[in-house]
Amino acid sequence: DVVLTQTPPTLSATIGQSVSISCRSSQSLLHSNGNTYLNWLLQRPGQPPQLLIYLVSRLESGVPNRFSGSGSGTDFTLKISGVEAEDLGVYYCVQSTHAPPWTFGGGTKLELK
Amino acid sequence: QIQLVQSGPELKKPGESVKISCKASGYTFTDYAMHWVKQAPGKGLKWMGWINTYTGKPTYADDFKGRFVFSLEASASTANLQISNLKNEDTATYFCVGGTWFAYWGQGTLVTVSS
Repeated sequence: DVVLTQTPPTLSATIGQSVSISCRSSQSLLHSNGNTYLNWLLQRPGQPPQLLIYLVSRLESGVPNRFSGSGSGTDFTLKISGVEAEDLGVYYCVQSTHAPPWTFGGGTKLELK
Repeated sequence: QIQLVQSGPELKKPGESVKISCKASGYTFTDYAMHWVKQAPGKGLKWMGWINTYTGKPTYADDFKGRFVFSLEASASTANLQISNLKNEDTATYFCVGGTWFAYWGQGTLVTVSS
């Protein structure tokens, strides 16, 4: 199974600061059809996760454009350009290139400094 | 709008069974597969498997083979998760998830297993 490793596990930021989260895969997530099935989710406290980004860099409808995703192969990054209070929570990457199983990263908790 | 509404919290004893429902609305039920995801208290997300809402065929992750059953009530646009012979380690919030890219999540159902 594919293992996704997220770093850092915890991230402290001030409002307005830009931050990045890394997601590294144990094998390439490039599918034979040319797509890379790597998504990013945000789980706010007490809430279900919500989809932020799919296919590495495509912003889900309604998600602010301060969120961006990049990467290829085994290394992926989620960037928040100017953290806002509503961005606090736990971020997860998830892959489906080599599904089943779908696999999640261990999560990165974004908190206020 | 698309919604997945799950049944309420459950308190069970070890060895008992539980059935969680997930009612979909706002889209054609058979358009998307339904996945199930487990989140133990204070932990991350774990994919349990999925059910093809068109054929009813379930697929289970290795750790969820045996005591876990996915089913459908397609006429009611509802997916169900049944867990039998509950163990303490089944204490968790269970989410149903639909849509391409895991776009739609139920609110979660907390199952507590305690003697």
